[in-house]
Amino acid sequence: DSGVTQTPKHLITATGQRVTLRCSPRSGDLSVYWYQQSLDQGLQFLIQYYNGEERAKGNILERFSAQQFPDLHSELNLSSLELGDSALYFCASSPLGGNADYEQYFGPGTRLTVT
Amino acid sequence: AQSVSQHNHHVILSEAASLELGCNYSYGGTVNLFWYVQYPGQHLQLLLKYFSGDPLVKGIKGFEAEFIKSKFSFNLRKPSVQWSDTAEYFCAGRAQKKSSGDKLTFGTGTRLAVRP
Repeated sequence: DSGVTQTPKHLITATGQRVTLRCSPRSGDLSVYWYQQSLDQGLQFLIQYYNGEERAKGNILERFSAQQFPDLHSELNLSSLELGDSALYFCASSPLGGNADYEQYFGPGTRLTVT
Repeated sequence: AQSVSQHNHHVILSEAASLELGCNYSYGGTVNLFWYVQYPGQHLQLLLKYFSGDPLVKGIKGFEAEFIKSKFSFNLRKPSVQWSDTAEYFCAGRAQKKSSGDKLTFGTGTRLAVRP
């Protein structure tokens, strides 16, 4: 158990819908990262937040957005869902952000299935 | 552009065989390198990491990796695999540049199947 929690574990929804994935980082970690794992794209970085502010952006679609709240938990919002958005979404956390030699700890993931 | 490549997509070994999984990286500047393992149905777990210093790093479960800067490589090794090592292995890199934040760039993964 990494200490990073994600809810829900599984999510099944229809095309065009909107979902919210939630992540709670390890106690004391300030950085939260979102990654998408799909069969065709592999593991891809989406976005990073550090202490409530966006720190880095990867291959995140405009239909996707994220935020980090004052209690440091984060939410990833996916809207106008398409079949190709079906994937495993991982959250990770680390103590600091940028130029720091810390590893990232991964949560169990949320498996999203769009039908 | 930052990239990490893994040469072997699928590897099948018998128990007690030796393992070496290839990983090459392409980064400008200082790079941190990692190997993660994903057991079936589970989340990513860190096997080992290289930040600086001794290029031979030892991780959990008997795994080790060697950072060879001249070859841009960070290959994962284990002298004798067990059935429980059946999993998917990911090499990942992170550049120490403020503009890129802390993001990890992953290789495509190697699926290892160990036959009992």
